[in-house]
This record gives sequence, structure tokens and C-alpha cells, in this order.
Amino acid sequence: AQSVTQPDIHITVSEGASLELRCNYSYGATPYLFWYVQSPGQGLQLLLKYFSGDTLVQGIKGFEAEFKRSQSSFNLRKPSVHWSDAAEYFCAVGRTGANNLFFGTGTRLTVIP
Amino acid sequence: DSGVTQTPKHLITATGQRVTLRCSPRSGDLSVYWYQQSLDQGLQFLIHYYNGEERAKGNILERFSAQQFPDLHSELNLSSLELGDSALYFCASSVGEPRGEAFFGQGTRLTVV
Repeated sequence: AQSVTQPDIHITVSEGASLELRCNYSYGATPYLFWYVQSPGQGLQLLLKYFSGDTLVQGIKGFEAEFKRSQSSFNLRKPSVHWSDAAEYFCAVGRTGANNLFFGTGTRLTVIP
Repeated sequence: DSGVTQTPKHLITATGQRVTLRCSPRSGDLSVYWYQQSLDQGLQFLIHYYNGEERAKGNILERFSAQQFPDLHSELNLSSLELGDSALYFCASSVGEPRGEAFFGQGTRLTVV
């Protein structure tokens, strides 16, 4: 069965610093991978997705993620964090033939001035 | 704005009661997914409908049921409510399956007292 692990429950970074949020998945074949962001009181917004092809994918709001098959990882990065990036970030995995996404437990990002 | 509309935004009800949550998917989307988000369980997939037909069930309790109507809106019915049912319930929609790229509504926060 597929699963998603986000090892960092909470991360604090300074505004302007770089960011990397970790995500590891467990699945036998190449999964479909997603990063979503949830601001307080809001729904989930899709940041980026990986289906196939180039392993470095660009998303909205300046985020990017890299799929590394050998490490079963799909880490989210941003070179310079803005205060408005403070939110909860969820990694999710889907697979061919599945009807839903499996979500990680999320990483809460705090940005300090 | 994801284009997915959920009503109501907040709902407070007593144990043992029954409530109905409503979801209008994005225009053109045939798939509707329901998720439950709670502090202890995280984001859990409940059920998926595609063009009016149930396609998959996840961790949905027998006290819960859903349906998708001919106009593609969906309702999630929760009955015999317990304190532990308090959570944020999300609806998501997508064009089709199975890639699972979904757009989420802002959720309905259910509080059972």
C-alpha cells in the first residue's frame, strides 16, 4: 500500500531564507506526486504536481520540487521565503487506477521576520 | 478561488444528530471526493463519486453516506453524530480519474457538542 511521510511536523525559517520541506513516499511503481498548501481557515491549494518526465517541476508562488526515485522522495523547495508562505504544506501521492490521494501528515511552516 | 463551493462553512450540532454537507464541484468536473481532516487522523479520504456513481470508499464510517446528483453536486450525510466526528470536511473535484489532481473547497467545519 502506498504511504506518504513528512518527517518534519513544524519548521521555522526567517523571511528571505531558503526552504526545503521533505516528503518520502512508499509505492511500488512511479506515483503521481503533489504538493498542496493550506492557509489557516482555507482549503488546500495545489502548488505543483509530478506525473512523469522532467524530475524537477516548477509550481506556483516560486516553489519547485524534485522527484528522486532512488530516494523515494519529492522534496519541496523555495529559494527565498516570504512571510505569506506561512501555512501548512501537504505532500500527497496518487497512483494509476486509484481514485483518491494519500496525504502526508503535513508540515507547518512558520516564517519569522 | 478553486471553483469548488462547500456549504455551510461552519456547523455546530449535538451528539446523536444528523447533518448534511453540500458540495458544488468546479464547472465540468465529473469527480467529487470527500475528505475528513482531524487533528489526530490528518487528511483521510472518505469517498469518491464519478458522474453520479460511487467509485471508491475509504475510511468512511457506516453512519456516513454520500451521493452525487445529476447536476453533479454532492452531499455528505453524517448521522448519529459523536464528539469524535468533529472535524473539517473537504470536498474536492477533478475532471476525471485516475490522476487525482483535485481542486479543494474551503471545507465545512463540523463541531459536535
